[in-house]
Amino acid sequence: DAKTTQPPSMDCAEGRAANLPCNHSTISGNEYVYWYRQIHSQGPQYIIHGLKNNETNEMASLIITEDRKSSTLILPHATLRDTAVYYCIVAPTGNQFYFGTGTSLTVIP
Amino acid sequence: GAVVSQHPSRVICKSGTSVKIECRSLDFQATTMFWYRQFPKQSLMLMATSNEGSKATYEQGVEKDKFLINHASLTLSTLTVTSAHPEDSSFYICSASSGTKNEQFFGPGTRLTVL
Repeated sequence: DAKTTQPPSMDCAEGRAANLPCNHSTISGNEYVYWYRQIHSQGPQYIIHGLKNNETNEMASLIITEDRKSSTLILPHATLRDTAVYYCIVAPTGNQFYFGTGTSLTVIP
Repeated sequence: GAVVSQHPSRVICKSGTSVKIECRSLDFQATTMFWYRQFPKQSLMLMATSNEGSKATYEQGVEKDKFLINHASLTLSTLTVTSAHPEDSSFYICSASSGTKNEQFFGPGTRLTVL
Protein backbone atom coordinates (compact mmCIF):
# COMPACT_ATOMS: atom_id res chain seq x y z
CA ASP A 1 0.00 0.00 0.00
CA ALA A 2 1.03 3.57 -0.66
CA LYS A 3 2.58 5.34 2.32
CA THR A 4 1.97 8.85 1.01
CA THR A 5 -0.86 11.35 1.08
CA GLN A 6 -1.19 14.14 -1.46
CA PRO A 7 -3.90 16.68 -2.24
CA PRO A 8 -5.95 15.43 -5.19
CA SER A 9 -5.61 18.57 -7.27
CA MET A 10 -3.91 21.95 -7.44
CA ASP A 11 -3.82 24.91 -9.79
CA CYS A 12 -0.85 27.13 -10.50
CA ALA A 13 -0.47 30.24 -12.64
CA GLU A 14 1.96 29.96 -15.50
CA GLY A 15 5.36 31.39 -14.59
CA ARG A 16 4.77 31.07 -10.87
CA ALA A 17 6.27 28.46 -8.57
CA ALA A 18 4.25 25.30 -8.02
CA ASN A 19 4.61 23.83 -4.54
CA LEU A 20 3.30 20.28 -4.25
CA PRO A 21 3.11 18.83 -0.73
CA CYS A 22 3.35 15.19 0.30
CA ASN A 23 2.86 13.57 3.70
CA HIS A 24 4.74 10.39 4.52
CA SER A 25 4.57 10.18 8.29
CA THR A 26 5.38 6.44 8.44
CA ILE A 27 8.54 6.66 6.32
CA SER A 28 11.31 4.29 7.38
CA GLY A 29 14.95 5.21 7.79
CA ASN A 30 16.05 3.45 4.61
CA GLU A 31 13.28 4.82 2.40
CA TYR A 32 13.87 7.53 -0.15
CA VAL A 33 11.31 10.10 -1.27
CA TYR A 34 10.77 9.93 -5.02
CA TRP A 35 8.75 12.25 -7.25
CA TYR A 36 7.46 11.28 -10.65
CA ARG A 37 4.91 12.85 -12.96
CA GLN A 38 2.61 11.35 -15.54
CA ILE A 39 1.23 13.17 -18.50
CA HIS A 40 -1.92 11.63 -19.90
CA SER A 41 -1.43 8.19 -21.49
CA GLN A 42 2.34 8.20 -21.00
CA GLY A 43 4.66 6.39 -18.62
CA PRO A 44 5.71 8.22 -15.45
CA GLN A 45 8.68 10.55 -15.79
CA TYR A 46 11.32 10.73 -13.07
CA ILE A 47 11.68 14.17 -11.50
CA ILE A 48 13.83 13.98 -8.39
CA HIS A 49 14.50 11.95 -5.27
CA GLY A 50 16.15 12.39 -1.90
CA LEU A 51 16.83 10.70 1.42
CA LYS A 52 17.03 13.50 3.97
CA ASN A 53 18.83 16.43 2.41
CA ASN A 54 17.15 18.93 0.13
CA GLU A 55 17.84 18.26 -3.52
CA THR A 56 17.76 20.36 -6.67
CA ASN A 57 18.13 19.49 -10.33
CA GLU A 58 17.27 21.10 -13.63
CA MET A 59 13.59 20.21 -13.26
CA ALA A 60 12.72 20.86 -9.64
CA SER A 61 13.70 21.19 -6.00
CA LEU A 62 12.80 18.76 -3.25
CA ILE A 63 12.46 20.00 0.30
CA ILE A 64 12.30 17.27 2.97
CA THR A 65 11.42 18.23 6.54
CA GLU A 66 13.94 17.43 9.23
CA ASP A 67 11.76 14.65 10.68
CA ARG A 68 11.28 13.32 7.11
CA LYS A 69 7.54 13.03 7.64
CA SER A 70 6.69 15.35 4.78
CA SER A 71 8.18 16.89 1.69
CA THR A 72 7.47 19.51 -0.95
CA LEU A 73 8.25 19.41 -4.63
CA ILE A 74 8.89 22.84 -6.09
CA LEU A 75 8.64 23.61 -9.79
CA PRO A 76 10.23 27.09 -9.82
CA HIS A 77 8.58 28.51 -12.95
CA ALA A 78 5.60 26.41 -13.99
CA THR A 79 4.77 26.16 -17.69
CA LEU A 80 1.72 24.73 -19.42
CA ARG A 81 3.72 21.59 -20.17
CA ASP A 82 4.02 20.94 -16.43
CA THR A 83 0.31 20.08 -16.31
CA ALA A 84 0.35 16.44 -15.17
CA VAL A 85 -0.37 14.09 -12.28
CA TYR A 86 2.48 14.23 -9.77
CA TYR A 87 3.23 11.20 -7.62
CA CYS A 88 5.19 11.17 -4.39
CA ILE A 89 6.50 7.70 -3.49
CA VAL A 90 8.57 6.44 -0.58
CA ALA A 91 10.57 3.26 -1.05
CA PRO A 92 13.97 1.76 -0.35
CA THR A 93 16.27 2.07 -3.31
CA GLY A 94 15.69 -0.61 -5.93
CA ASN A 95 12.46 -1.74 -4.34
CA GLN A 96 8.84 -1.82 -5.44
CA PHE A 97 6.92 1.42 -5.87
CA TYR A 98 3.40 1.60 -4.47
CA PHE A 99 1.72 4.59 -6.05
CA GLY A 100 -0.84 6.70 -4.25
CA THR A 101 -3.45 8.78 -6.00
CA GLY A 102 -1.11 11.69 -6.73
CA THR A 103 -1.84 15.38 -7.27
CA SER A 104 -3.30 16.56 -10.55
CA LEU A 105 -1.55 19.86 -11.25
CA THR A 106 -3.13 22.23 -13.73
CA VAL A 107 -1.03 25.17 -14.90
CA ILE A 108 -3.27 28.02 -15.91
CA PRO A 109 -2.26 30.53 -18.60
CA GLY B 1 18.11 9.68 -17.90
CA ALA B 2 18.01 6.05 -18.92
CA VAL B 3 15.61 4.89 -21.64
CA VAL B 4 13.07 2.10 -21.36
CA SER B 5 11.01 1.05 -24.35
CA GLN B 6 7.86 -1.04 -24.67
CA HIS B 7 6.45 -2.88 -27.63
CA PRO B 8 3.81 -2.75 -28.85
CA SER B 9 2.51 0.66 -27.82
CA ARG B 10 -1.04 -0.36 -28.58
CA VAL B 11 -2.68 -3.73 -29.19
CA ILE B 12 -6.23 -4.87 -29.84
CA CYS B 13 -7.03 -8.56 -29.55
CA LYS B 14 -9.96 -10.90 -29.40
CA SER B 15 -11.16 -12.43 -26.16
CA GLY B 16 -9.40 -15.71 -25.42
CA THR B 17 -6.16 -14.91 -27.20
CA SER B 18 -2.78 -14.27 -25.59
CA VAL B 19 -0.79 -11.06 -25.91
CA LYS B 20 2.91 -10.53 -25.26
CA ILE B 21 4.31 -7.15 -24.24
CA GLU B 22 8.04 -6.49 -24.32
CA CYS B 23 9.96 -4.14 -22.06
CA ARG B 24 13.55 -3.24 -22.90
CA SER B 25 16.17 -1.14 -21.15
CA LEU B 26 18.05 0.46 -24.02
CA ASP B 27 21.15 1.92 -22.43
CA PHE B 28 21.63 0.16 -19.11
CA GLN B 29 21.42 -3.28 -17.60
CA ALA B 30 18.26 -3.73 -15.57
CA THR B 31 18.72 -6.12 -12.71
CA THR B 32 15.10 -5.63 -11.72
CA MET B 33 12.04 -4.85 -13.79
CA PHE B 34 8.56 -4.07 -12.57
CA TRP B 35 5.17 -4.38 -14.25
CA TYR B 36 2.25 -2.09 -13.48
CA ARG B 37 -1.33 -1.83 -14.63
CA GLN B 38 -3.34 1.37 -14.80
CA PHE B 39 -7.09 1.59 -15.33
CA PRO B 40 -8.69 4.83 -16.56
CA LYS B 41 -8.57 7.67 -14.05
CA GLN B 42 -6.74 5.49 -11.54
CA SER B 43 -3.20 5.29 -10.27
CA LEU B 44 -0.58 2.73 -11.24
CA MET B 45 -0.94 -0.64 -9.53
CA LEU B 46 2.14 -2.83 -9.14
CA MET B 47 1.55 -6.29 -10.57
CA ALA B 48 4.89 -8.03 -10.22
CA THR B 49 8.62 -7.70 -9.75
CA SER B 50 11.05 -9.65 -11.87
CA ASN B 51 14.75 -10.19 -11.40
CA GLU B 52 16.90 -11.41 -14.24
CA GLY B 53 17.14 -15.17 -14.28
CA SER B 54 14.67 -15.84 -11.50
CA LYS B 55 10.94 -16.23 -11.10
CA ALA B 56 8.81 -13.14 -10.80
CA THR B 57 7.24 -12.12 -7.51
CA TYR B 58 3.56 -11.28 -7.90
CA GLU B 59 1.52 -8.86 -5.83
CA GLN B 60 -1.46 -10.14 -3.90
CA GLY B 61 -4.46 -10.65 -6.14
CA VAL B 62 -2.46 -10.90 -9.38
CA GLU B 63 -2.77 -14.32 -11.02
CA LYS B 64 0.67 -15.61 -11.94
CA ASP B 65 -0.75 -18.14 -14.41
CA LYS B 66 -2.63 -15.43 -16.26
CA PHE B 67 0.14 -12.84 -16.33
CA LEU B 68 3.31 -14.68 -17.30
CA ILE B 69 6.52 -12.74 -16.78
CA ASN B 70 9.89 -13.67 -18.20
CA HIS B 71 13.09 -11.75 -17.50
CA ALA B 72 15.56 -13.74 -19.55
CA SER B 73 18.23 -11.07 -19.94
CA LEU B 74 19.41 -7.89 -18.27
CA THR B 75 17.74 -5.78 -20.94
CA LEU B 76 14.48 -7.57 -21.66
CA SER B 77 11.39 -8.57 -19.71
CA THR B 78 8.15 -9.79 -21.22
CA LEU B 79 4.60 -9.86 -19.88
CA THR B 80 2.19 -12.29 -21.51
CA VAL B 81 -1.50 -11.85 -20.82
CA THR B 82 -2.93 -15.31 -21.39
CA SER B 83 -6.52 -15.96 -22.43
CA ALA B 84 -7.26 -12.26 -22.36
CA HIS B 85 -10.73 -11.04 -21.48
CA PRO B 86 -12.31 -7.58 -21.80
CA GLU B 87 -11.65 -6.88 -18.10
CA ASP B 88 -7.91 -7.20 -18.84
CA SER B 89 -8.14 -4.11 -21.04
CA SER B 90 -5.81 -1.61 -19.42
CA PHE B 91 -2.63 0.43 -19.73
CA TYR B 92 0.36 -1.78 -18.92
CA ILE B 93 3.59 -0.03 -17.90
CA CYS B 94 6.99 -1.47 -17.11
CA SER B 95 9.88 0.07 -15.25
CA ALA B 96 13.48 -0.90 -14.80
CA SER B 97 16.18 -0.26 -12.26
CA SER B 98 19.83 -1.12 -12.16
CA GLY B 99 22.04 -1.79 -9.20
CA THR B 100 23.85 1.51 -9.66
CA LYS B 101 20.91 3.89 -10.01
CA ASN B 102 18.45 4.67 -7.23
CA GLU B 103 15.54 5.61 -9.47
CA GLN B 104 13.26 3.52 -11.62
CA PHE B 105 12.86 4.38 -15.27
CA PHE B 106 9.47 3.81 -16.81
CA GLY B 107 8.49 2.72 -20.28
CA PRO B 108 5.91 4.60 -22.34
CA GLY B 109 3.21 2.02 -21.68
CA THR B 110 1.15 -0.41 -23.75
CA ARG B 111 -2.56 0.12 -24.26
CA LEU B 112 -4.31 -3.27 -24.39
CA THR B 113 -7.88 -3.51 -25.62
CA VAL B 114 -9.59 -6.89 -25.52
CA LEU B 115 -12.73 -7.16 -27.60
